[in-house]
Amino acid sequence: GNSVTQMEGPVTLSEEAFLTINCTYTATGYPSLFWYVQYPGEGLQLLLKATKADDKGSNKGFEATYRKETTSFHLEKGSVQVSDSAVYFCALKRSGNTPLVFGKGTRLSVIA
Amino acid sequence: EADIYQTPRYLVIGTGKKITLECSQTMGHDKMYWYQQDPGMELHLIHYSYGVNSTEKGDLSSESTVSRIRTEHFPLTLESARPSHTSQYLCASSERTPSTDTQYFGPGTRLTVL
Repeated sequence: GNSVTQMEGPVTLSEEAFLTINCTYTATGYPSLFWYVQYPGEGLQLLLKATKADDKGSNKGFEATYRKETTSFHLEKGSVQVSDSAVYFCALKRSGNTPLVFGKGTRLSVIA
Repeated sequence: EADIYQTPRYLVIGTGKKITLECSQTMGHDKMYWYQQDPGMELHLIHYSYGVNSTEKGDLSSESTVSRIRTEHFPLTLESARPSHTSQYLCASSERTPSTDTQYFGPGTRLTVL
């Protein structure tokens, strides 16, 4: 079946540190891949997405590259800020009328 | 900015009460979803709809029910609330696009059943 595995948190970093949150997936065909972010007390927001192999999604200094050969979509940011503290969800979507499949989420805390 | 609304934001009720969580979107999206989010953050899809008069159960078995009489409205009902229903409930919607399916989420309803 389709599934998403992301690194367990919590992840705690100092401000300006480099961030990587690993995400790998299992899916038939060629899914679209997403990163969503959930700030405290809010719903999820789309952070970035990629729809085909080798695509790079980017937004707000975050980026992730769709790697078909390693079935991965790791999230990276070169210099995190305190305001990046949130829960990050990796997700996949197969084509057609199928729902998103989410990973379990990774909590990031950035300390000043 | 997505226009999807959930009410109430917070609800504390006693066991056995009937409750309805409201979700509305003004984007004309065909697809709508309900997720239950546990304290460990994991999201569980409990219901979804791909259009008016269409509803499906999600991956997680739920005692709640939903209806989709209007495109913009997707309420979730619990006939008899129990403490095990205490959770955060997130509503989402997406448009019917040929390739991708970006979901837009509401702010959530935090339900506590005493």
